[in-house]
Amino acid sequence: EPEVTQTPSHQVTQMGQEVILRCVPISNHLYFYWYRQILGQKVEFLVSFYNNEISEKSEIFDDQFSVERPDGSNFTLKIRSTKLEDSAMYFCASSGQGNEQYFGPGTRLTVT
Amino acid sequence: AQRVTQPEKLLSVFKGAPVELKCNYSYSGSPELFWYVQYSRQRLQLLLRHISRESIKGFTADLNKGETSFHLKKPFAQEEDSAMYYCALKPLLRAQKLVFGQGTRLTINP
Repeated sequence: EPEVTQTPSHQVTQMGQEVILRCVPISNHLYFYWYRQILGQKVEFLVSFYNNEISEKSEIFDDQFSVERPDGSNFTLKIRSTKLEDSAMYFCASSGQGNEQYFGPGTRLTVT
Repeated sequence: AQRVTQPEKLLSVFKGAPVELKCNYSYSGSPELFWYVQYSRQRLQLLLRHISRESIKGFTADLNKGETSFHLKKPFAQEEDSAMYYCALKPLLRAQKLVFGQGTRLTINP
């Protein structure tokens, strides 16, 4: 069964550095998402992406965040200048016409 | 504003006992409701969606619009049901985001 994959599984970075989190959605899906979960808190929506543009974003998704689909398979989340409070689990998800969102295993980002 | 509330962070029941995980929501329109499950060291996966009205792994959930609830139930818990359960809401007729509750960690004791 096809799955969403994410790399790396764990990323450690220093405050102020840029990070890129990578996702490979399920191949025939059209909608892509990023969510995050700070330790002990709920899963929060960051952004959705459809037809090569952002379709919705949350208040969390400010100017330091950006998303890109650089080729036909990858979907990336870039954080330009990481802060301590960006430490979280970041989940990528994708969905087709059926609306069910399939989640990746997550990338644990630790900002020191 | 859309909100999902799962009042129990932890729930522990014995094997064979009934299970009910509570979920309440607030949304001015007609949302679509889901239950996602995360087993140990695995990814979030869809368990149920209210529009399909089906039973998965013995679990059912009924949308009660009057009480704005979508509680998850199973008559006889099994040890393999131990997991983190998340209730989620998607506003209909809009973009695709999911709004999650805090999650309930369900532990089934032998």
